[in-house]
Amino acid sequence: GAVVSQHPSRVICKSGTSVKIECRSLDFQATTMFWYRQFPKQSLMLMATSNEGSKATYEQGVEKDKFLINHASLTLSTLTVTSAHPEDSSFYICSAAGLAGPSSYNEQFFGPGTRLTVL
Amino acid sequence: AQKVTQAQTEISVVEKEDVTLDCVYETRDTTYYLFWYKQPPSGELVFLIRRNSFDEQNEISGRYSWNFQKSTSSFNFTITASQVVDSAVYFCALRSSNYKLTFGKGTLLTVNP
Repeated sequence: GAVVSQHPSRVICKSGTSVKIECRSLDFQATTMFWYRQFPKQSLMLMATSNEGSKATYEQGVEKDKFLINHASLTLSTLTVTSAHPEDSSFYICSAAGLAGPSSYNEQFFGPGTRLTVL
Repeated sequence: AQKVTQAQTEISVVEKEDVTLDCVYETRDTTYYLFWYKQPPSGELVFLIRRNSFDEQNEISGRYSWNFQKSTSSFNFTITASQVVDSAVYFCALRSSNYKLTFGKGTLLTVNP
């Protein structure tokens, strides 16, 4: 099946710093990638949708200047949490969907997630 | 607007019991997809099943079975002879024309030995 990786798996940073999370589709071309945030004991909430080569579309209530998303290639999307604060501590999960290979628009393939802790 | 309701927040069973996780959805689309995912303590989502709106056949995969009832907008998930390894949070999700997934709030299943 399609494999999606995330790096890092866990990050601890000081308040005010920026953190970059990478999401890679390893064996297929991802034309669309999605970023989710999950607070403890809560569901996944979609933050934004990014298409390769174009600007991300953010969900209502998500600050686009705080959560910078770049989808520069068909296999890589990055989420940068700028000037992170303790309330940004969460589990961030990406998913990828593509045209060819084992994936299809009917299914998103999820990365393993990145646990961000802001002190 | 799309909505997925998992009314059961937590379920606790003893090993070998059967357990059903409920999922009710709302959508105005005629074409849509329903999913179930398992999220163990590690956090990684594990895909379990995808069902499209035109296929109401129930499905069985080992100890797992799914009951799709379009008339009641439900897509319930049953684990037969539960095992401790089934302990996890289970999410039901809906995807329709805009390709976005809407997740339910999840059901925490604890299977006790």
